[in-house]
Amino acid sequence: LAKTTQPISMDSYEGQEVNITCSHNNIATNDYITWYQQFPSQGPRFIIQGYKTKVTNEVASLFIPADRKSSTLSLPRVSLSDTAVYYCLVASLYSSASKIIFGSGTRLSIRP
Amino acid sequence: GAVVSQHPSRVICKSGTSVKIECRSLDFQATTMFWYRQFPKQSLMLMATSNEGSKATYEQGVEKDKFLINHASLTLSTLTVTSAHPEDSSFYICSARVGTGQGETEAFFGQGTRLTVV
Repeated sequence: LAKTTQPISMDSYEGQEVNITCSHNNIATNDYITWYQQFPSQGPRFIIQGYKTKVTNEVASLFIPADRKSSTLSLPRVSLSDTAVYYCLVASLYSSASKIIFGSGTRLSIRP
Repeated sequence: GAVVSQHPSRVICKSGTSVKIECRSLDFQATTMFWYRQFPKQSLMLMATSNEGSKATYEQGVEKDKFLINHASLTLSTLTVTSAHPEDSSFYICSARVGTGQGETEAFFGQGTRLTVV
């Protein structure tokens, strides 16, 4: 199981772009990279997922370099409601029984 | 996307009693579900993998006799905290993975259950 390393916390301001980088040096060939967001007393919520290069959806972009040993979640123009904990996860998606292990996550605080 | 629902969302129980938490996949079948525990300001810790029709697989350090898991159907897994003690107070979250139809799976998480043992 690939281990992930993220900054423990980050601060930013409303309207700024926030980039959170995650290291996963031991990522396996079949592993995908998924980012989740968690608010207090709620379950994690899916943000974005990718295998390589760049993925973009309506809320974020995910940048994955060619060696896939790291990934960067980019949140454009953050607002106060983006204050949450963000988890980078690496797991095989081809088996529904494949465990998903959470790292420490990044606590993002957005200020006015 | 798929929905995973937990019940109850909050429960308070007396020390020594047992509490059952339900996790349901509402619009898909889940042969495998996962149970996590989360203490304040900490990350989610995987407790066990719940397998439909067979015994659960527990992570190292998790007492299987204390945290009973039953996965009796393809849409329901239950976690029973037996003889609960105040140190069992935590936020319990379940998860299930569903196929996307393209050979991959996606994980969905329940809203969590806040257990307080008094």
